[in-house]
Amino acid sequence: GENVEQHPSTLSVQEGDSAVIKCTYSDSASNYFPWYKQELGKRPQLIIDIRSNVGEKKDQRIAVTLNKTAKHFSLHITETQPEDSAVYFCAASRYNNDMRFGAGTRLTVKP
Amino acid sequence: DAGVTQSPTHLIKTRGQQVTLRCSPKSGHDTVSWYQQALGQGPQFIFQYYEEEERQRGNFPDRFSGHQFPNYSSELNVNALLLGDSALYLCASSFPSVLGGAEQYFGPGTRLTVT
Repeated sequence: GENVEQHPSTLSVQEGDSAVIKCTYSDSASNYFPWYKQELGKRPQLIIDIRSNVGEKKDQRIAVTLNKTAKHFSLHITETQPEDSAVYFCAASRYNNDMRFGAGTRLTVKP
Repeated sequence: DAGVTQSPTHLIKTRGQQVTLRCSPKSGHDTVSWYQQALGQGPQFIFQYYEEEERQRGNFPDRFSGHQFPNYSSELNVNALLLGDSALYLCASSFPSVLGGAEQYFGPGTRLTVT
């Protein structure tokens, strides 16, 4: 089955700096790669996603890149703000939607 | 649109008991997936229901079972509860995408504590 690894487990940045979180996956058939943000005590919220037919996708301060050959994808957050502090999860799934999550990255943005 | 709803919010059970958790999908969604999220970890895929049948299953024992009703709502049942079953149980709904891998919307979760 699919195995998703996520790094780093914790990340601390100064407000205004960029943050990068990286994930690798094992199943070459995976074709959908979402990123979720989870604040303490709340549900995971989808922040951006990318499909295997696209190499990069951007939404304001958030971007995701995908390298299918290397089987890794990354989340980039620019101009970080304190409200970006949360746990971020990457995930990967195939056509049948059995989504597998990484272990999460706790991002702290210091004012 | 109410989004994905789950009940109950919290639940405390004793080891060996059985529990049923409920989920109502987002309007227009027909697929429901269940996840177990232990403290400090990522969600772990339990199974997915589509057209009232279990379509995919993760690495969970048969003590975990489910059901989907004609209105697309779903139940997760766990028998013979173990202390290790204590976790946040998340339900997510989606609508199949012809592109594969559909966007999943999560409910608020049910916090299960087994004592």
